Amino acid sequence: ETGVTQTPRHLVMGMTNKKSLKCEQHLGHNAMYWYKQSAKKPLELMFVYNFKEQTENNSVPSRFSPECPNSSHLFLHLHTLQPEDSALYLCASSQDNTGELFFGEGSRLTVL
Amino acid sequence: DQQVKQNSPSLSVQEGRISILNCDYTNSMFDYFLWYKKYPAEGPTFLISISSIKDKNEDGRFTVFLNKSAKHLSLHIVPSQPGDSAVYFCAASGSNDYKLSFGAGTTVTVRA
Repeated sequence: ETGVTQTPRHLVMGMTNKKSLKCEQHLGHNAMYWYKQSAKKPLELMFVYNFKEQTENNSVPSRFSPECPNSSHLFLHLHTLQPEDSALYLCASSQDNTGELFFGEGSRLTVL
Repeated sequence: DQQVKQNSPSLSVQEGRISILNCDYTNSMFDYFLWYKKYPAEGPTFLISISSIKDKNEDGRFTVFLNKSAKHLSLHIVPSQPGDSAVYFCAASGSNDYKLSFGAGTTVTVRA
């Protein structure tokens, strides 16, 4: 138990569906992140939120839309995804810029 | 443009022997380095870190070495145990930077 909870753990969706991934951290951290992990590739940073403000959008396609309503919750809204978007999506949090990220268990996404 | 590279995708070692994982980086602005460990169906968990003012950091069976001139770091696990079988990710960041750059990971298998 890392203090970062992601739901759902598994998601299968069609290319025309709209779905959302949810992340909640119980650590009192002030920064939250979305990472994408594809097979045999490095973790790719997608978005960073610091004190609820988005500080990084790493050239992510607009079919991925993040939302951070408060410092404990982070969402990733998905719409009209492509099969190549199938991956493990990891949420993480940290306190300030310590670099020590606490990851959730990930949401395994399959796009048909 | 991959700034952190783990050139060995896998490593097999006998229980009780030393495991040595290597990592190279290209960005000279990186000054904080971390190793993460990941079991299947779990998110990565922080293992050990080192800042650029040091060349060695030790925590129990785990030691990280940093060679700044070569832009190279390594993780030594001794003695290796079956529970160490996992994927190990190298990561790096710059000062006051919320972004971690990750390597592609090395899968370690410890043989009984």
